[in-house]
Amino acid sequence: KAGVTQTPRYLIKTRGQQVTLSCSPISGHRSVSWYQQTPGQGLQFLFEYFSETQRNKGNFPGRFSGRQFSNSRSEMNVSTLELGDSALYLCASSEGQRKRVLHFGNGTRLTVT
Amino acid sequence: KNEVEQSPQNLTAQEGEFITINCSYSVGISALHWLQQHPGGGIVSLFMLSSGKKKHGRLIATINIQEKHSSLHITASHPRDSAVYICAVKGGGADGLTFGKGTHLIIQP
Repeated sequence: KAGVTQTPRYLIKTRGQQVTLSCSPISGHRSVSWYQQTPGQGLQFLFEYFSETQRNKGNFPGRFSGRQFSNSRSEMNVSTLELGDSALYLCASSEGQRKRVLHFGNGTRLTVT
Repeated sequence: KNEVEQSPQNLTAQEGEFITINCSYSVGISALHWLQQHPGGGIVSLFMLSSGKKKHGRLIATINIQEKHSSLHITASHPRDSAVYICAVKGGGADGLTFGKGTHLIIQP
């Protein structure tokens, strides 16, 4: 089975722009979660989707949003980018909400200039 | 909000040594994860625990729910074990994972 695929791997954007990151989970996995990793804050939970519904949301401003499609692929969007949004964005998939062993993608490294 | 503390923050050891990394949390949880992150960013899930002990190869993870504490042990450590090890906890409600700051482990040949 293919692993979790995140695209793009690297992205450079300018302050004020918006960005969309994509995550394709392992085939058959219905739960996708997103995380932000920065040197200062470490890993932080953004949100989790299961069967196209957002189940949990972390403590991030409304500029951060996401969605999940019927094929379980997920996207996250950050609008009005700020310098502090520069980070590694990771997604993880799991079979379901109870079977929660996480399988991580390699991440998208976003740089905001 | 759960507070997750890991110790030590940094650990350098010689090949073959027995390694212990600790994780403490402040509020009751439904599950605890141990993750491994190599340079470059890729994260691998090592264990998911809700009670007791799990073993996989040279890795052992234990959790004490009453004491709100978990340990990750590496036996016969090897330079390829060099990585950042991260503890993460899942509360019982609608919260997502809360992560520790990680333990940076270096195993010298």
